[in-house]
Amino acid sequence: KAGVTQTPRYLIKTRGQQVTLSCSPISGHRSVSWYQQTPGQGLQFLFEYFSETQRNKGNFPGRFSGRQFSNSRSEMNVSTLELGDSALYLCASSLAALESHEQYFGPGTRLTVT
Amino acid sequence: QQQVKQSPQSLIVQKGGISIINCAYENTAFDYFPWYQQFPGKGPALLIAIRPDVSEKKEGRFTISFNKSAKQFSLHIMDSQPGDSATYFCAASMVSRKLVFGQGTRLTINP
Repeated sequence: KAGVTQTPRYLIKTRGQQVTLSCSPISGHRSVSWYQQTPGQGLQFLFEYFSETQRNKGNFPGRFSGRQFSNSRSEMNVSTLELGDSALYLCASSLAALESHEQYFGPGTRLTVT
Repeated sequence: QQQVKQSPQSLIVQKGGISIINCAYENTAFDYFPWYQQFPGKGPALLIAIRPDVSEKKEGRFTISFNKSAKQFSLHIMDSQPGDSATYFCAASMVSRKLVFGQGTRLTINP
């Protein structure tokens, strides 16, 4: 099976702009979670989507949003970019079955805000 | 309550030695404890995971030891190899599947 794919892999944006990141989960996986990774804060949970609905949300401002499509693909949007949004954004997919907690990460999108 | 504390921050081990990384948690509602391995420029890769009803789980050279009463768990890498040099993260989650990560341990295996 193909792994989790994320596009684009690298992005450079200017402060104040907005950005959309894309994630395609492993085939058959219905849950997609997003995480932000920075040297200072480590790995932090942004949100989780299941069946096109946001099921969980982390402690990030409303500038961070996401959505999931009927084929389980997910997008994440960050509006009004700030310098502190520079990070590696990781998508993880999961079967979301009751007994299955395993989450598999994609390679990430490296966002640089200048 | 939601934190997972990981130590040490960095670790240097000789080839063939045992690498040990420790994690501690507070929230007893956590019921799934995975370890991830991350190489530079890559996403974290699931290495091994354990549930609190088991005290130890072994997969190849990797072993998780879990102490429910102490709320601690650790990763042991036996016969450590230079290819094991990476950053390791412990994590914990509940039914929500939101992973709470430790701060990471940079492991270097000297040849």
